[in-house]
Amino acid sequence: AQSVAQPEDQVNVAEGNPLTVKCTYSVSGNPYLFWYVQYPNRGLQFLLKYITGDNLVKGSYGFEAEFNKSQTSFHLKKPSALVSDSALYFCAVSDNTNAGKSTFGDGTTLTVKP
Amino acid sequence: ETGVTQTPRHLVMGMTNKKSLKCEQHLGHNAMYWYKQSAKKPLELMFVYSLEERVENNSVPSRFSPECPNSSHLFLHLHTLQPEDSALYLCASSQEMAPNEKLFFGSGTQLSVL
Repeated sequence: AQSVAQPEDQVNVAEGNPLTVKCTYSVSGNPYLFWYVQYPNRGLQFLLKYITGDNLVKGSYGFEAEFNKSQTSFHLKKPSALVSDSALYFCAVSDNTNAGKSTFGDGTTLTVKP
Repeated sequence: ETGVTQTPRHLVMGMTNKKSLKCEQHLGHNAMYWYKQSAKKPLELMFVYSLEERVENNSVPSRFSPECPNSSHLFLHLHTLQPEDSALYLCASSQEMAPNEKLFFGSGTQLSVL
């Protein structure tokens, strides 16, 4: 079975400060990890994914995430937050035993204040 | 714009009505999905189609009936729904039904069952 935990319902940061949105996972096989963002009244948009290779993955809009196998984590980061980054962020995981069936976390609401 | 279009954007229906949700993608993808997004709950995978064949039905009540007439179109037929079925219904597609494939989501249909 696979699962994802996003321990924070809400993250608040000031514009210009670094941000981190946390994600931990559990899978049977090798993990495939994703981050998606959802703006109000919209569907989810893909930000980045980890498949294999470099543990630091760079994605859209200046976001990056670091895969940490020993801590089973895949935290989303950005060096300098923008007000327009305010949205709902979802971490998702799948593995090679469960093709095409990603499991999503509960989501974390990021608020960036000017 | 993700290339996945859902109609209608909003739907209000009574418990005895019959309605259908439509999803269309022109990305040349071979896999399509229906997800349910309820407040305070993680995304729930409802149905998966790969090459127009249903490959997943996650214990969804029979009042939800999917249809995939071709690789570009996906429908969700609704009948005798319950108020707890009120949610945002998201359609997604991916190149293949594989664990490393990212999902492209539509903007969703916000369904209210009275």
